[in-house]
Amino acid sequence: AQTVTQSQPEMSVQEAETVTLSCTYDTSENNYYLFWYKQPPSRQMILVIRQEAYKQQNATENRFSVNFQKAAKSFSLKISDSQLGDTAMYFCAFMKPSSPTFGNEKLTFGTGTRLTIIP
Amino acid sequence: EAGVTQSPTHLIKTRGQQVTLRCSPISGHTSVYWYQQALGLGLQFLLWYDEGEERNRGNFPPRFSGRQFPNYSSELNVNALELEDSALYLCASSSDRVPGNTIYFGEGSWLTVV
Repeated sequence: AQTVTQSQPEMSVQEAETVTLSCTYDTSENNYYLFWYKQPPSRQMILVIRQEAYKQQNATENRFSVNFQKAAKSFSLKISDSQLGDTAMYFCAFMKPSSPTFGNEKLTFGTGTRLTIIP
Repeated sequence: EAGVTQSPTHLIKTRGQQVTLRCSPISGHTSVYWYQQALGLGLQFLLWYDEGEERNRGNFPPRFSGRQFPNYSSELNVNALELEDSALYLCASSSDRVPGNTIYFGEGSWLTVV
């Protein structure tokens, strides 16, 4: 079974600074997908960024980027120029394809990191 | 395009009662997932439906059940409610045959058991 570990329960950073959230995972699979989701106080889970394990290039979405180290099974999220609206719980998640013909499996989540952006 | 919609948004039930939560996936999505998020805890996988069939089930007792309808909407039923069932129940959907396709979440149903 896959496990996802987020070792930082809480973090805080000054507005406009850069912050990195850590995530490690354990799997014997070679092909899989990794995600970062954001859950603001409204509790709506919002996709931040996704990474396909077979792609060596790190994914980037505007101020959000990842550092994907497949051999180390590490998938950290970097938020640049942090904004007050980035305050939220951040969850790292893992998904493996169940079969070539049946694309998706369930998401396995880490326990989350509560990020607070300080004005 | 409408996102994943869930109903009701909030409800209060008494211990021992039964509850049904509903979910409509994004148009074109055939997979529906249910997750439980108890206060202070992470997301625990409950159930996964695709094309009307249960594909996977998390480590929850049989009083948690559900189904998926021909229009791909889904229900989650919880019987004999216990206090620890109080949680946010999140429904999510994804496209059926695209590996690694993004799973999109609804806003959740808050269940309080008293």
